[in-house]
Amino acid sequence: QKEVEQNSGPLSVPEGAIASLNCTYSDRGSQSFFWYRQYSGKSPELIMSIYSNGDKEDGRFTAQLNKASQYVSLLIRDSQPSDSATYLCAVYSNSGYALNFGKGTSLLVTP
Amino acid sequence: DTGVSQDPRHKITKRGQNVTFRCDPISEHNRLYWYRQTLGQGPEFLTYFQNEAQLEKSRLLSDRFSAERPKGSFSTLEIQRTEQGDSAMYLCASSLDTTDTQYFGPGTRLTVL
Repeated sequence: QKEVEQNSGPLSVPEGAIASLNCTYSDRGSQSFFWYRQYSGKSPELIMSIYSNGDKEDGRFTAQLNKASQYVSLLIRDSQPSDSATYLCAVYSNSGYALNFGKGTSLLVTP
Repeated sequence: DTGVSQDPRHKITKRGQNVTFRCDPISEHNRLYWYRQTLGQGPEFLTYFQNEAQLEKSRLLSDRFSAERPKGSFSTLEIQRTEQGDSAMYLCASSLDTTDTQYFGPGTRLTVL
């Protein structure tokens, strides 16, 4: 079992809709969780971090964490074509310094 | 705050040649990380420095890979005797001691012919 799993997609949503991206992780002791956005050919750009169970909102983005289910999600409200990218879920390994990434979910927002 | 910078942005080399990449972290970030990303995969951790000390290098892919951070500022990643399988994006990230948020540089894309 991979440490961090994401559906590779592509996930296609119409402009203005809510995009829901999901991630599961295997290390029950993980404490820190991150979502990065990566445009094709570019490097990962931090969107949000989340540490506690529940929701964390930042603008159009909401991260959700459920440690009991070992599940992290990212909701993007009012999706725009510029949101079309690969979204990477990252979880700290038990080393405390190495981020374990999922393969990423490709999101396509259609006008 | 100018962000993490990496040089070069692109490198094309022939199999068997040595290559060296440079990373300049965000100023005052004392933690520096190297990752490798291949097509369709998430970044894969390679090594980690806290100041000038390399605290984790067991995840470097082979003994052809080495990294340094001599004065606790910039870092270099060297790949000796490159192979076609080394073709990838090499990413550098940095963070402060007091937070665990890693910020990535633009990456160096390596192509080995």
